[in-house]
Amino acid sequence: DVKVTQSSRYLVKRTGEKVFLECVQDMDHENMFWYRQDPGLGLRLIYFSYDVKMKEKGDIPEGYSVSREKKERFSLILESASTNQTSMYLCASKSPGSNEKLFFGSGTQLSVL
Amino acid sequence: AQSVTQPDIHITVSEGASLELRCNYSYGATPYLFWYVQSPGQGLQLLLKYFSGDTLVQGIKGFEAEFKRSQSSFNLRKPSVHWSDAAEYFCAVGAGLDYKLSFGAGTTVTVRA
Repeated sequence: DVKVTQSSRYLVKRTGEKVFLECVQDMDHENMFWYRQDPGLGLRLIYFSYDVKMKEKGDIPEGYSVSREKKERFSLILESASTNQTSMYLCASKSPGSNEKLFFGSGTQLSVL
Repeated sequence: AQSVTQPDIHITVSEGASLELRCNYSYGATPYLFWYVQSPGQGLQLLLKYFSGDTLVQGIKGFEAEFKRSQSSFNLRKPSVHWSDAAEYFCAVGAGLDYKLSFGAGTTVTVRA
């Protein structure tokens, strides 16, 4: 079965810090996504990537950047963390073919103090 | 722009009773529709999806959903709920197979014995 692994389950950072959230998938998927999940708002797409070194903004990219140097790894970067970026962050990858679907990681709960 | 509304924030149902979760979408063309489930501490898991064809879609764990274009709805149903169905459920709509999905705010289901 596909495995999408997010490096940290919980993370606590200070305002102004640069934060890296890592996501690795083991099935050679081309498409990967970063969402944030907030109560009452559901999931909102931050960035996604169609292939190595290719990225596209989602609905709420402000304050974030991403890096995709290798196919299996998709990193979300908070250049200067702020308290309104306290959230649950979910990474996903998409399988190709006729049975395509999103596979989600377990999430990283980030608290910015 | 596409959007999803899940009118019910929280539903409580008795074990063995039927369950229906409502989802209304807004999108100009034929939508791609999904239901995901998130158990506590877990990532999201796809229950079912609708792209085209038969408007009654069968999914995993005994769930089904019906696409009604005239009502812009994609309601999720299960005839008999099990305690393990307690989770948060998300409806999502996409414009195509690029999977830039818009998620609803979610419905939390509590199952009482």
